[in-house]
Parts: sequence; C-alpha cells; structure tokens
Amino acid sequence: RKEVEQDPGPFNVPEGATVAFNCTYSNSASQSFFWYRQDCRKEPKLLMSVYSSGNEDGRFTAQLNRASQYISLLIRDSKLSDSATYLCVVKTDSWGKLQFGAGTQVVVTP
Amino acid sequence: NAGVTQTPKFQVLKTGQSMTLQCAQDMNHNSMYWYRQDPGMGLRLIYYSASEGTTDKGEVPNGYNVSRLNKREFSLRLESAAPSQTSVYFCASSEATSNQPQHFGDGTRLSIL
Repeated sequence: RKEVEQDPGPFNVPEGATVAFNCTYSNSASQSFFWYRQDCRKEPKLLMSVYSSGNEDGRFTAQLNRASQYISLLIRDSKLSDSATYLCVVKTDSWGKLQFGAGTQVVVTP
Repeated sequence: NAGVTQTPKFQVLKTGQSMTLQCAQDMNHNSMYWYRQDPGMGLRLIYYSASEGTTDKGEVPNGYNVSRLNKREFSLRLESAAPSQTSVYFCASSEATSNQPQHFGDGTRLSIL
C-alpha cells in the first residue's frame, strides 16, 4: 500500500465552478501536511500548508482529518490557470523527509 | 532570488556512461534532497542530506551516489547509467524544522539510451 494515495483524475471543471478532492495517508504519526502544485514538466511548488483546524488561502481551502487520515483541497471559483496537478505531501519524521502522492490532475475548461 | 539551481536541465547519456547532476541553493537551508519523478508515480526520494557533512539513503538509492560539498551544494552522481534511470530529477532544500516546506529546483530531464 502506498503511503500517500490520491485519485489521479483528471477532474474536469468548468471555469467558475468548485472542485474538491482528497488524499489519504497511511502513517498515523505523520506530522505535517502540504499541498503542492505542479504544472506540466515543471517543478513542484508549495500551494499551502495544511493545519489541524483547516485553513484558507484565497480561493483554496485545505482540511485535515487525523481520525480518518486524509486531507482535502477545495478550489472555489476555478480559473483556467488552476489547471495543474496537485500533489499531496506528508511529512513523516521530525527533520523533514516527505512522502509525495502521485498527484491529482485538475483541468479547468472555458 | 535564484532559490534552488540545477544543472544541466537536459542530458542524454548512453548506457554505462557516468555523470553528475549539480544542485545549489542560496537560501541558507540545512537540508537538501534528491528526488526522481516517473510517469504516474509520486516523487521518490533518492538521497538526502539533513545537514552539511551528512548524507543518507532514501527510498530508491541504488545506482546513485551523492556528495554534500558544502552547505550550498549537493550533487548526485550516476556511476554507470542504466535505461531504468531515465527520469526527471529534482533537487530540493528546506529548513528541517517542523512545517517548513521544501523548495525545488526546476529539474533535470535525463534520458539513458
């Protein structure tokens, strides 16, 4: 079983709509959680950290459910520029090593 | 503000050839990492360096060696390239404290023929 699992998609979303997707992790001792964004053939870039109480950054909302071991990302009012692969990332030890999901592809259409 | 710089950006090798991928960061980070990314898979950690002077194996270290030359630089060497090492390689750096994200270079696309 993979340590971090994501639905690969693609999620096809009309411009202006809302899309949400989850990521599950297997290590209950995981300490920190992030969503990264990766555009085609580019490097991953941090989108947002995920905090225990949930957090927003503009149109993006992240939630953490430790009991069920999943995190979620919701994108409101989708823009064409939101088309990308979203990587779920889990930090499993104290000094910094990360586990990456394979990514969820989001395609926003006009 | 350069961040993490990787060289080269592209490389084609023949099976059995050797090469070194270079990585440098200017953010004064203690920790540095090398990943590979293959289609349909998440980034997999090859080697990491928690601090200057230390290196450790990650998930897929076979066929690779690393050198943490100084705090800024962390190189990845393929001693005898194999087609299975065809991949996109990313270097990253971070502070090793809790909740600090990793910052990535823009990758090296490596093909082994």
